[in-house]
Amino acid sequence: GENVEQHPSTLSVQEGDSAVIKCTYSDSASNYFPWYKQEPGKRPQLIIDIRSNVGEKKDQRIAVTLNKTAKHFSLHITETQPEDSAVYFCAASNSGYSTLTFGKGTMLLVSP
Amino acid sequence: KAGVTQTPRYLIKTRGQQVTLSCSPISGHRSVSWYQQTPGQGLQFLFEYFSETQRNKGNFPGRFSGRQFSNSRSEMNVSTLELGDSALYLCASSSQGSGRGETQYFGPGTRLLVL
Repeated sequence: GENVEQHPSTLSVQEGDSAVIKCTYSDSASNYFPWYKQEPGKRPQLIIDIRSNVGEKKDQRIAVTLNKTAKHFSLHITETQPEDSAVYFCAASNSGYSTLTFGKGTMLLVSP
Repeated sequence: KAGVTQTPRYLIKTRGQQVTLSCSPISGHRSVSWYQQTPGQGLQFLFEYFSETQRNKGNFPGRFSGRQFSNSRSEMNVSTLELGDSALYLCASSSQGSGRGETQYFGPGTRLLVL
């Protein structure tokens, strides 16, 4: 089955800095890669996703890049703000399965 | 559209008891997946139901089971509860399943504490 590794487990940055979270996956057939943000006591919410036919996708201050050859994808957050503080999860799935395999999460702390 | 709802939100049980959790997906969604979230393990997939049939199953013991009704509402059951079953149980719904590159929308979760 699919295995998703996520690094780092915690990331502390100053407000205004950039943050990068990286994930690797094992199943070369995986073709859908969403990122979820989970604030304390809240449900995970999709913030951006990318499909395997695209190398990069941006939405305002967040972007995701995908390297299919190396089987890794990354989340980039620019101009971080304190409200970006949360746990971020990457995930992967392929058309053969209807489920998501998640990484273990990255706790992002943005200090004012 | 109303979001995914889960009941109850909090539950306290003792070892050996059983528990049933409920999930109502977004209207029109036919796929419901269940996840167990714990601090050390992140989100682990339990099972997925689509049109009343279990389509995928994660690596959990047979004490964990589920079902889906004709209106797409889903329930999961845990029998003979163990201390290690204490966790946040999340369900997520999508139209066809994330294998089609569809977004999964999560419910607020049921926090289960086993004493």
